[in-house]
Amino acid sequence: LAKTTQPISMDSYEGQEVNITCSHNNIATNDYITWYQQFPSQGPRFIIQGYKTKVTNEVASLFIPADRKSSTLSLPRVSLSDTAVYYCLVGEGNTDKLIFGTGTRLQVFP
Amino acid sequence: NAGVMQNPRHLVRRRGQEARLRCSPMKGHSHVYWYRQLPEEGLKFMVYLQKENIIDESGMPKERFSAEFPKEGPSILRIQQVVRGDSAAYFCASSPSWPAHMVGELFFGEGSRLTVL
Repeated sequence: LAKTTQPISMDSYEGQEVNITCSHNNIATNDYITWYQQFPSQGPRFIIQGYKTKVTNEVASLFIPADRKSSTLSLPRVSLSDTAVYYCLVGEGNTDKLIFGTGTRLQVFP
Repeated sequence: NAGVMQNPRHLVRRRGQEARLRCSPMKGHSHVYWYRQLPEEGLKFMVYLQKENIIDESGMPKERFSAEFPKEGPSILRIQQVVRGDSAAYFCASSPSWPAHMVGELFFGEGSRLTVL
């Protein structure tokens, strides 16, 4: 089964927009795509969830193309406190497992 | 409404001992997932349970590891005869009565950190 993959790391500066993409080409028809943020020594925290097209909340946007084989988390105007690891989470096609992507370590510089 | 509660937060065991990690899901949640995170690595699926049922345990090592989610009480992840390679953070997550991959989010606990000496 294909892995759910993300870039290993990204660097940004305060105030910039950051886009993190997750490839999940084995996603099942009914599965949602969820993104989480994790700080060291803490549990993952929910950021945003979507099924298709675009979803926006107070902290992020999520873009999902028509084929749903990838998704992009967009963080507008990042701050130092956004330095963390970001994971996408999707179901593994036709199973009940929820699989995390490989994770992207975002470092925000002043 | 309390979140997902995991205990102990930190556990130290010597090689060969048993480790029991507990997870109390959010109120009203009947689905529990366990994930393992080795140092500096990502979150790996271990097992998915509903009350009194193991739905998918394909991510759990075949030996020494077991999980349960009884009708009453917390979900328990049990590791027998621990080895140094079991040292990791173990995270539990819960979701409401429908599977989380269909709709809704997983709510995570803060994890239990196991250190094997």
